[in-house]
Amino acid sequence: EAQVTQNPRYLITVTGKKLTVTCSQNMNHEYMSWYRQDPGLGLRQIYYSMNVEVTDKGDVPEGYKVSRKEKRNFPLILESPSPNQTSLYFCASSLILTSPGELFFGEGSRLTVL
Amino acid sequence: KQEVTQIPAALSVPEGENLVLNCSFTDSAIYNLQWFRQDPGKGLTSLLLIQSSQREQTSGRLNASLDKSSGRSTLYIAASQPGDSATYLCAGPPWGAGNKLTFGGGTRVLVKP
Repeated sequence: EAQVTQNPRYLITVTGKKLTVTCSQNMNHEYMSWYRQDPGLGLRQIYYSMNVEVTDKGDVPEGYKVSRKEKRNFPLILESPSPNQTSLYFCASSLILTSPGELFFGEGSRLTVL
Repeated sequence: KQEVTQIPAALSVPEGENLVLNCSFTDSAIYNLQWFRQDPGKGLTSLLLIQSSQREQTSGRLNASLDKSSGRSTLYIAASQPGDSATYLCAGPPWGAGNKLTFGGGTRVLVKP
């Protein structure tokens, strides 16, 4: 089954404790991206990757890191989480965001930073 | 920078009524326009994708139109059902920035039996 898998789905952590949210897709997609969703602010792009070893900042990259060492994986790293990073995070992938560009989303990871 | 607006933010209709959801974008040089559905606590599911060279796309009861000149896309859902209750979002990257997707705030739809 074609899917984007995120882990963990739910996480409660404390300020400053490094964490990684994993994202894996089994569709051989080139494009992968991370978003956060907050009430009243909608979905905002954090980072994206056009291919292996190619990453770039989205609209809200501060406090986050990413890496793309393999085509299928695109982990989101919070080196020193803060309470303002409490949010619902989504990973998405697309064959390539040009043509046709259909975007597939993971189920989301709800992160709470105390 | 592309800005995407969806009005209304919420909509409640009786079952069987047709739904009309609006999406406006500021950069008319749009590459494509996607419509998504999001159920509470879930990820987004792609419903329809309209390429910039197209004017509409249809899938079952869903029809989406794209008017680049006016900066608008409309999603029509015919004969709504309670199962259509969800939040609907649109997103579109402008030319030259196809990798930076900007989402609208969404329209929360409730279809009452």
